[in-house]
Amino acid sequence: GENVEQHPSTLSVQEGDSAVIKCTYSDSASNYFPWYKQELGKGPQLIIDIRSNVGEKKDQRIAVTLNKTAKHFSLHITETQPEDSAVYFCAARKGMNTGFQKLVFGTGTRLLVSP
Amino acid sequence: DAGVTQSPTHLIKTRGQQVTLRCSPKSGHDTVSWYQQALGQGPQFIFQYYEEEERQRGNFPDRFSGHQFPNYSSELNVNALLLGDSALYLCASSLGPGSGYTFGSGTRLTVV
Repeated sequence: GENVEQHPSTLSVQEGDSAVIKCTYSDSASNYFPWYKQELGKGPQLIIDIRSNVGEKKDQRIAVTLNKTAKHFSLHITETQPEDSAVYFCAARKGMNTGFQKLVFGTGTRLLVSP
Repeated sequence: DAGVTQSPTHLIKTRGQQVTLRCSPKSGHDTVSWYQQALGQGPQFIFQYYEEEERQRGNFPDRFSGHQFPNYSSELNVNALLLGDSALYLCASSLGPGSGYTFGSGTRLTVV
């Protein structure tokens, strides 16, 4: 079945630095890759997503890149701020528009941004 | 506009008991998916409900069952609770089974 590996498990950066989180998926049929931010006591919140027909997507300080050949995708956060501190999860899914497809999550990265 | 609402927020049960968790989807959403998140892990898919039917199921035993009502709200039932069922249970709603999710804040279940 589908498997998603995520690393690093923890990442500590200074405010203003960049942070990169990487994921690898196993099922080449996966075509939708969302990233979620989970703060303490809350559910995951979608922060950005990318589909397999796109190589890169940006939204202000956040960007996601996808390498379909290597089955890798990465989250890039620039100019990090203390409020970026949270656990970040990548996920993968097949058949975005064909229904009944589950999200498979990575194991999470705890990002700590120090002032 | 309310997002996904889950109740209760916290729950403590004894091993062997049964529990029911509830979820109201985001306004306009018709599909509900349930996930189990163990401490320090990513969410694991339990099942998805659409048009009041279970459409897809993850690798969870039959002790886990659910229901979707005509107003799209949903329940997750777990029978014969085990200590290993202790986790955060997340409900996610979407407009159609293939659309992006909105997650609730979850129900923290502790089995003692």
